[in-house]
Amino acid sequence: EAGVAQSPRYKIIEKRQSVAFWCNPISGHATLYWYQQILGQGPKLLIQFQNNGVVDDSQLPKDRFSAERLKGVDSTLKIQPAKLEDSAVYLCASSPGLAGSDQYFGPGTRLTVT
Amino acid sequence: GENVEQHPSTLSVQEGDSAVIKCTYSDSASNYFPWYKQELGKRPQLIIDIRSNVGEKKDQRIAVTLNKTAKHFSLHITETQPEDSAVYFCAATTFGNEKLTFGTGTRLTIIP
Repeated sequence: EAGVAQSPRYKIIEKRQSVAFWCNPISGHATLYWYQQILGQGPKLLIQFQNNGVVDDSQLPKDRFSAERLKGVDSTLKIQPAKLEDSAVYLCASSPGLAGSDQYFGPGTRLTVT
Repeated sequence: GENVEQHPSTLSVQEGDSAVIKCTYSDSASNYFPWYKQELGKRPQLIIDIRSNVGEKKDQRIAVTLNKTAKHFSLHITETQPEDSAVYFCAATTFGNEKLTFGTGTRLTIIP
């Protein structure tokens, strides 16, 4: 079974620039998550999709972050404009969508904002 | 919302000894508690989980215990090996919610 795919793996941008991350979840997984993991901390949920609908985006800084999952499969997360404090690893995870099912993480995108 | 606290933040144990990591949660409705292992520069990987209808679960050298009354759960690693060195995260969520709240992590170092 192929895992969760993410790209790019690394990205360096200057503050105020824009950046986009892509995630392809495990085939058939209805639920997709984007997490932000700042160095030395646990992952923090940014947004959760169930198919192509948003379930929870309460911790997404909506003035600069946006995400979409138009066809209920792949997802993109965008930051515009980036700030220094956005430097982190952005993890995508997916789960089958059944109650209590396990989440499987992608390798992450390490973003450095200079 | 849920709040998960994890202790200790760092832990060093001699190879072969046991390691214990503890977490507490705030939402009494939480009923699913996974543990993730994250090696340096790699993705978090699920190593064991426990649901609220059991008090203990074991998988080879790893075990997890849950005390719902006290709202805490613990990870136990016995006969530790160098490859156990990593950061471990606990998490909590409610059945049907699937929104994981993670602890702050424990950096475990196994001393050869």
